[in-house]
Amino acid sequence: KAGVTQTPRYLIKTRGQQVTLSCSPISGHRSVSWYQQTPGQGLQFLFEYFSETQRNKGNFPGRFSGRQFSNSRSEMNVSTLELGDSALYLCASRPTGKANEKLFFGSGTQLSVL
Amino acid sequence: AQSVTQLDSQVPVFEEAPVELRCNYSSSVSVYLFWYVQYPNQGLQLLLKYLSGSTLVKGINGFEAEFNKSQTSFHLRKPSVHISDTAEYFCAVAYNNNDMRFGAGTRLTVKP
Repeated sequence: KAGVTQTPRYLIKTRGQQVTLSCSPISGHRSVSWYQQTPGQGLQFLFEYFSETQRNKGNFPGRFSGRQFSNSRSEMNVSTLELGDSALYLCASRPTGKANEKLFFGSGTQLSVL
Repeated sequence: AQSVTQLDSQVPVFEEAPVELRCNYSSSVSVYLFWYVQYPNQGLQLLLKYLSGSTLVKGINGFEAEFNKSQTSFHLRKPSVHISDTAEYFCAVAYNNNDMRFGAGTRLTVKP
């Protein structure tokens, strides 16, 4: 079984631009979660999607949005990029998103905002 | 507010020494507890998890963790570390609303 795939692996953008990140979960997994990882802050939860619906949302501004398609693939969008958005963005999938299920992580997209 | 605290941001140890990485969480309800490891330039992978039952949980690569409900802690231990254990370790807590929160991470550096 293929693992969680995130594309692109690296991105360089400038302030004010927008960016879209993609995540393909493990086949059969219907829950996809997104996290922002920065040094010293650990993983900050962005949002979780299940069956094309946002089920949970973290404390991020509205510039951060996402969606999920019928094949469970998910995209995350950040508009009007700021320098502080530079981070590793991790996607993780679970079969149904139940609390006792482990997360399967992708390798992440490293976003640099200049 | 629900939170996960990893008490040490960095832990340097010598090879073959024992190590303990500490994790405390805040919750008045039942939770599920996890430890994940992140090797350089990789995503996170599960080390072990506590769902219920025995409070001592054994995971991969010789790691184990003990759930202490009264102290709301879930500390990770290994009796003898190897160079290859150098990585970042994350404690995570899952709540009944399917929300999973992570600690800030502990960078374990094993020296020869």
